[in-house]
Amino acid sequence: DTAVSQTPKYLVTQMGNDKSIKCEQNLGHDTMYWYKQDSKKFLKIMFSYNNKELIINETVPNRFSPKSPDKAHLNLHINSLELGDSAVYFCASSQRASNQPQHFGDGTRLSIL
Amino acid sequence: AQTVTQSQPEMSVQEAETVTLSCTYDTSESDYYLFWYKQPPSRQMILVIRQEAYKQQNATENRFSVNFQKAAKSFSLKISDSQLGDAAMYFCASASNTGNQFYFGTGTSLTVIP
Repeated sequence: DTAVSQTPKYLVTQMGNDKSIKCEQNLGHDTMYWYKQDSKKFLKIMFSYNNKELIINETVPNRFSPKSPDKAHLNLHINSLELGDSAVYFCASSQRASNQPQHFGDGTRLSIL
Repeated sequence: AQTVTQSQPEMSVQEAETVTLSCTYDTSESDYYLFWYKQPPSRQMILVIRQEAYKQQNATENRFSVNFQKAAKSFSLKISDSQLGDAAMYFCASASNTGNQFYFGTGTSLTVIP
């Protein structure tokens, strides 16, 4: 009964490769997010989608491309991976109203060799 | 935009004692919401407590309570009777009512000493 699930949990790959992280939520939420947490534990929002439409796109290299096939899924595709992309990536979801908390997935630890 | 500041990168507390984690925020919004999240070593992000800015009463959840000072834009978290399982990274966050964006602080790492 996982509410927000991300796959894979761990991803180890080489520089230059292309990889995807999948996220699904079964909470019926309207909005989904991607965050990057660096080695200092700082959480930075990357993208936010509401009903499959992009509403937030922070300053993120265009090698990162989110895709939302429906409002329950928000996948993150990363092209030409670089060493600096190593981090934990969190997917989250919430209802549109901001008084509702975000529910997070367990994170995907991406390590670039 | 909003900013959230957590000035204590690390804190420690003796088991069974009380500890307070600080958080200040800056917003021009009149209606907003504040949250504390806990991230244990398992790296899950777990909601601890939530406060609506229009409510004067401080939110409480069991051993967790907040001291919300709206004029000072302060939102500290008090953990009473600290337990070993409270050891984690704690993030303060704010969200305005006009958008879907959460603003997170840089976190406070809490150690509980047995």
